[in-house]
Amino acid sequence: GNSVTQMEGPVTLSEEAFLTINCTYTATGYPSLFWYVQYPGEGLQLLLKATKADDKGSNKGFEATYRKETTSFHLEKGSVQVSDSAVYFCALSLTGGGNKLTFGTGTQLKVEL
Amino acid sequence: DAGVTQSPTHLIKTRGQQVTLRCSPKSGHDTVSWYQQALGQGPQFIFQYYEEEERQRGNFPDRFSGHQFPNYSSELNVNALLLGDSALYLCASSLGGINEKLFFGSGTQLSVL
Repeated sequence: GNSVTQMEGPVTLSEEAFLTINCTYTATGYPSLFWYVQYPGEGLQLLLKATKADDKGSNKGFEATYRKETTSFHLEKGSVQVSDSAVYFCALSLTGGGNKLTFGTGTQLKVEL
Repeated sequence: DAGVTQSPTHLIKTRGQQVTLRCSPKSGHDTVSWYQQALGQGPQFIFQYYEEEERQRGNFPDRFSGHQFPNYSSELNVNALLLGDSALYLCASSLGGINEKLFFGSGTQLSVL
């Protein structure tokens, strides 16, 4: 079946530190890959996406590259801010899957001054 | 422009009871998906409604049912509640069911005692 595996949190960083959150996937077919972010008390928001191998999604300083050879979609940011503190979810959907998403378990990020 | 709205925000029920959760999609959206997010887990797909019909279903028992109205709003019904049904229930809307960008509501927190 289809699944997404994320590194466990919480991840605690100092402001301006470099962020990496690992995500690997298993899928039958050719998935699209996503990162969603969930701020406290809010719904999930799409952060970025990539729809085919070697695509790079980017938004708000975050980046992730679709690596088919390693089945990975790691999230990176060069300099985190306190306002980036949230839970980050990696997810996939299959072509023709009607945008049904399969999520990872989420990684909580805490950024301190 | 209102986003996805869900009601109620919090709900407490006892085992064996029935519950109805409601969702109004983002303006212009015609597809509604429901997800269950247990504490510390990623959201799990329950089902998706399009043109008032259930189009896809995840691995949830028949106790979980839904409905979509002509105005595209939707209800999620859960019968014979179990303690394990305690979770955040998220509604997401999209256009046409093939657009991969989902807009999520803030969810309904259901506690089953």
